[in-house]
Amino acid sequence: QQPVQSPQAVILREGEDAVINCSSSKALYSVHWYRQKHGEAPVFLMILLKGGEQKGHDKISASFNEKKQQSSLYLTASQLSYSGTYFCGTSLADFGNEKLTFGTGTRLTIIP
Amino acid sequence: DAGITQSPRYKITETGRQVTLMCHQTWSHSYMFWYRQDLGHGLRLIYYSAAADITDKGEVPDGYVVSRSKTENFPLTLESATRSQTSVYFCASSEFLRGLAGGNEQFFGPGTRLTVL
Repeated sequence: QQPVQSPQAVILREGEDAVINCSSSKALYSVHWYRQKHGEAPVFLMILLKGGEQKGHDKISASFNEKKQQSSLYLTASQLSYSGTYFCGTSLADFGNEKLTFGTGTRLTIIP
Repeated sequence: DAGITQSPRYKITETGRQVTLMCHQTWSHSYMFWYRQDLGHGLRLIYYSAAADITDKGEVPDGYVVSRSKTENFPLTLESATRSQTSVYFCASSEFLRGLAGGNEQFFGPGTRLTVL
């Protein structure tokens, strides 16, 4: 089942913060985050495994709440280069392979 | 060239024709995937392969056929193309180093934009 992302779209001014959420109705083993710029392929940002860990990548960080089966992506002091569509991909706990189910994406637009 | 490549990058075909999209990776990754991307649907998995000669269906496999005789290649065939298969198709690969579900990043190819008239 496809994870639900929110919001679907957000517009920010450079320097503002954003939070993108990814929720699943099923137990998750891992959550991936990817960013896709217009006309390009998705690019990996980070993976979070069950256990509630939090990770950071420059000014982008993410958390995974295993109890809620929800992951959040945090973008602080956003830069113009952060614009794009963000996808979460989830792996179910009962699958022993690398298959992911992606959400429908969150379009982030950063304006000067 | 190192990495993951797809060909052709753009394809226009007619309803009923057979079309094959190619995907090649140089990392010897175990896993390979085919996704289609449509507005409002995100990335949907068509087929995936855990190793050569091992393939399995994803969310939207109808109308598609795959094969994987060599680790590095994973072609996707539309046996009789329909207009609903107009989409952008992405191939991806990942390793299975940790032996844990979903524990490894996926590397995406540049995509093939397919139009079925």
